[in-house]
Amino acid sequence: QSALTQPASVSGSPGQSITISCTGTSSDVGDYNLVSWYQHHPDKAPKLIIYEVNKRPSGFSNHFSGSKSGNTASLTISGLQAEDEADYYCCSYANTGTLVFGGGTKLTVL
Amino acid sequence: QVQLVQSGAEVKKPGASVKVSCKASGYTFTSYDINWVRQATGQGLEWMGWMNPKSGNTGYAQKFQGRVTMTRDTSISTAYMELSSLRSEDTAVYYCARGTDPGSGSYYDSEFWGQGSLVTVSS
Repeated sequence: QSALTQPASVSGSPGQSITISCTGTSSDVGDYNLVSWYQHHPDKAPKLIIYEVNKRPSGFSNHFSGSKSGNTASLTISGLQAEDEADYYCCSYANTGTLVFGGGTKLTVL
Repeated sequence: QVQLVQSGAEVKKPGASVKVSCKASGYTFTSYDINWVRQATGQGLEWMGWMNPKSGNTGYAQKFQGRVTMTRDTSISTAYMELSSLRSEDTAVYYCARGTDPGSGSYYDSEFWGQGSLVTVSS
């Protein structure tokens, strides 16, 4: 199972919105609404921010939102804040019964 | 509150095995699947496999088939991940993570994570 494809890096200024893409295949992203997104700060545990394409864990605001079209899922962060600077990973269920992560995207808040 | 507390750092020689533990608290251990994910230095997250603590059923990434074993001890709400035939490329932080929704086969996403266990493989 190949890793999902994400851009290596994205950047934005405080208050702006950015979108991170996650491209898979018809065997994973395209076939299941089981895409999740994780925020990972260095030396901390990853944090689930979106699951099942567009659901937010309890207690999370709509600062983060998710969507999917075909084989590509997207994470949008609106109103960028300094603390959003982190690595972001998408993850999808695949038809082999396994999970596959994207390569990760480093978000820089300018 | 939900907590997953993992065992401490380990240093192993190539060819050896390592067993990482993950003690759960704050919820019913047998109600949620457990995933194991690792991150090598400078690399991304990599899914290793999942286990259902109630049944003991497991599913492993093809890359680790034959080298990884996931088990549990329900009496102490603890999950284990054992990786054998270690090589330098296995040097990584290993995480356990709990499935978001209850039930078997609901390992698709993980809401709660352990703090990570660093495993260093070096001669």
